[in-house]
Amino acid sequence: GENVEQHPSTLSVQEGDSAVIKCTYSDSASNYFPWYKQELGKGPQLIIDIRSNVGEKKDQRIAVTLNKTAKHFSLHITETQPEDSAVYFCAASTTSGTYKYIFGTGTRLKVLA
Amino acid sequence: EAQVTQNPRYLITVTGKKLTVTCSQNMNHEYMSWYRQDPGLGLRQIYYSMNVEVTDKGDVPEGYKVSRKEKRNFPLILESPSPNQTSLYFCASSLYGSGNEQFFGPGTRLTVL
Repeated sequence: GENVEQHPSTLSVQEGDSAVIKCTYSDSASNYFPWYKQELGKGPQLIIDIRSNVGEKKDQRIAVTLNKTAKHFSLHITETQPEDSAVYFCAASTTSGTYKYIFGTGTRLKVLA
Repeated sequence: EAQVTQNPRYLITVTGKKLTVTCSQNMNHEYMSWYRQDPGLGLRQIYYSMNVEVTDKGDVPEGYKVSRKEKRNFPLILESPSPNQTSLYFCASSLYGSGNEQFFGPGTRLTVL
């Protein structure tokens, strides 16, 4: 079946450095790729998303890139801060046919002060 | 306040005792979904609903039932819970379809003994 692979599973960076999390999806029909941040004890919250007709999207310190040919998309966080410490999930879905979401297994990001 | 609510937040039960986890949203969203979160496995979609009386299986539907009789409510039913259904469950909703921001509830931690 369809799956989304996410790497790394844990990532530690020094405050101010950049962090990159990578995901690969298998379903070529996927056309919507959100990233969610989950803080301890809470539900996931959307931080950025990208659609298949766009190669890159940026929102302040957060950016997402998409390579449809390679079925690969990445989250980039620049100038990391301690409050960026959380678990991050990528996901892929289709907006026609089936309407499932497939999530990656998550990346625990620690920003060291 | 726009939100997704789940009840109960915590539940300990025994094998075979039917239970229902309720989910309600006040945003007039069409799409609703249930996920389970397990360590190392990320979020896995159980069932989703595109609108009232329209439900479909996600990746891990076995042992679960859902219903969507009203737009705001999407209960998750475990007819005969088993220990392998011990997990953290999240309900989510989005305005329409699967290509929009999902808003997650606070989660329900279920333990089946």
